[in-house]
Amino acid sequence: GAGVSQSPSNKVTEKGKDVELRCDPISGHTALYWYRQRLGQGLEFLIYFQGNSAPDKSGLPSDRFSAERTGESVSTLTIQRTQQEDSAVYLCASSFRLAGRADTQYFGPGTRLTVL
Amino acid sequence: SQQGEEDPQALSIQEGENATMNCSYKTSINNLQWYRQNSGRGLVHLILIRSNEREKHSGRLRVTLDTSKKSSSLLITASRAADTASYFCATLQTGANNLFFGTGTRLTVIP
Repeated sequence: GAGVSQSPSNKVTEKGKDVELRCDPISGHTALYWYRQRLGQGLEFLIYFQGNSAPDKSGLPSDRFSAERTGESVSTLTIQRTQQEDSAVYLCASSFRLAGRADTQYFGPGTRLTVL
Repeated sequence: SQQGEEDPQALSIQEGENATMNCSYKTSINNLQWYRQNSGRGLVHLILIRSNEREKHSGRLRVTLDTSKKSSSLLITASRAADTASYFCATLQTGANNLFFGTGTRLTVIP
């Protein structure tokens, strides 16, 4: 079946502009995660959605970052007034999560964001 | 930081040799997972080991977990050039929703 998809694959924007990144999770996966990976570094957790529960936003670095998810489908990550330090690869993952367990996360290919 | 730390940061070996990567973490965990990343893009899940397990095998991969030392190791046997990638450990901490990733080991397998 189809894996996690993300769009666009690459985005170049000017400082101060808003950007919107999209993630299509694997069908039937209840959990969706956004991570950020700066060049040569590990992944930083940004936000987590699980079913209809309130999202865990504890990893969002500032109020310029926000994300939405419609039910158990598509999610969008929005960065307002982008800064050069926002340049990174933004990775989305989904998993079929049962209560009290964490299943394998399946990652999308990522969106490489470059802020000039 | 609550991230794990991998050791070494970079490893270069000859094809056919074994590669061992280590991961240390700081808090109690539900499970620990290893992922592989090619060319800085999407990660591929390799293996998951639960906190009550000590060793797990999958093909040429062997993972160990020592919760008393808060450490794990990933062994890749009979390495191939195609194993060249970055390898990350990730922990699901008790009570957490998300994985905490280490900084990764960059493995280069020389043909």
